Amino acid sequence: SQQGEEDPQALSIQEGENATMNCSYKTSINNLQWYRQNSGRGLVHLILIRSNEREKHSGRLRVTLDTSKKSSSLLITASRAADTASYFCATVPPQGGSEKLVFGKGTKLTVNP
Amino acid sequence: DSGVTQTPKHLITATGQRVTLRCSPRSGDLSVYWYQQSLDQGLQFLIQYYNGEERAKGNILERFSAQQFPDLHSELNLSSLELGDSALYFCASSQFGGNSPLHFGNGTRLTVT
Repeated sequence: SQQGEEDPQALSIQEGENATMNCSYKTSINNLQWYRQNSGRGLVHLILIRSNEREKHSGRLRVTLDTSKKSSSLLITASRAADTASYFCATVPPQGGSEKLVFGKGTKLTVNP
Repeated sequence: DSGVTQTPKHLITATGQRVTLRCSPRSGDLSVYWYQQSLDQGLQFLIQYYNGEERAKGNILERFSAQQFPDLHSELNLSSLELGDSALYFCASSQFGGNSPLHFGNGTRLTVT
């Protein structure tokens, strides 16, 4: 079963616009990670945010985490056609449980030139 | 390039057969994960090894088995294959398990006919 669920399932925007994707999860977490997957390729790690962090930046990416709402968002600013990909959130349950990283079903982002 | 190598890239086989997928983790990574990705089920966690020992188990069928060898490479064995086993199988590695980023290989695309 999925721990995280991304929303929306699909998103289509124009180049230059911002893209926001959301992730909700069910149980408490140690950290939450975002990954990108280009069609048929392996996933690429984007950002890891720990449960005691609220916001993290990496280049044009901004991730927020709200543990009280069990949700996270990924913002891509000034999007480019090359950002077209599927984006996944993944969570790790707290220590004492397993170390498995559980992925959601992803948001498919299309950036139109 | 993630540094994770998966072989073979493509595999076509018949129902009832057995196959072995191979993964070489990134240099220095002790943990190996296996995931199955299909269109309808998303990215499903199968199993994780850390330094040769099984650390976490997910939705792995009894027909599937895996191991991590002393040189840290890992193999996923799939037997009595069914049509529904057709999927992309990803291997990923990390330094410290689920609390560090995963580095994914480009996957093995298995087609069962």
